[in-house]
Amino acid sequence: DAKTTQPTSMDCAEGRAANLPCNHSTISGNEYVYWYRQIHSQGPQYIIHGLKNNETNEMASLIITEDRKSSTLILPHATLRDTAVYYCIVNYNAGNMLTFGGGTRLMVKP
Amino acid sequence: EAGVTQSPTHLIKTRGQQATLRCSPISGHTSVYWYQQALGLGLQFLLWYDEGEERNRGNFPPRFSGRQFPNYSSELNVNALELEDSALYLCASTPFWRSRQYQETQYFGPGTRLLVL
Repeated sequence: DAKTTQPTSMDCAEGRAANLPCNHSTISGNEYVYWYRQIHSQGPQYIIHGLKNNETNEMASLIITEDRKSSTLILPHATLRDTAVYYCIVNYNAGNMLTFGGGTRLMVKP
Repeated sequence: EAGVTQSPTHLIKTRGQQATLRCSPISGHTSVYWYQQALGLGLQFLLWYDEGEERNRGNFPPRFSGRQFPNYSSELNVNALELEDSALYLCASTPFWRSRQYQETQYFGPGTRLLVL
């Protein structure tokens, strides 16, 4: 049970911002929201994570709603190399495993 | 800083054989995780090792086993290979598991692609 819901696929024009939504309505108070991406046939790459506050790093920004039931990953200036499957994961520490859902297949087009 | 490394990159076996996959974590990381990604399916958690001990196991049969060595590298062994074991096997690592209240970011290696014929 992935505990998250993401659109199956999205398109984005190169150079534009890519906004990837994720619903996690059953999230618990101590659960973080993690984002990873997987470029074809490679290992997943960590992007960003957060608990309550919005977060930003060199790769992306993470916006978490006040009720924490949804979040949005923002790639500010998408490039062709950002084409990948993006996974939103709500991670409970018991067992310390990541539970991956289907993710969103982002296609960045020229 | 070197990332997580895995070997071999590709492995071809026949049904009934055994496969051994290896993983070296990021320097300073003590926890190693194994995941299976079958073609067209999502990543499924296999095993978690920390400080040489198996901490958690996913819903896989006992013929999937592993171990962690004193240098924190790890092996995944798959006995009596079946066709459906064909998959990308991914290893991830984190720093030591400090407490049940803290969640560590997992960093993944490039994977070993196992093909069972």
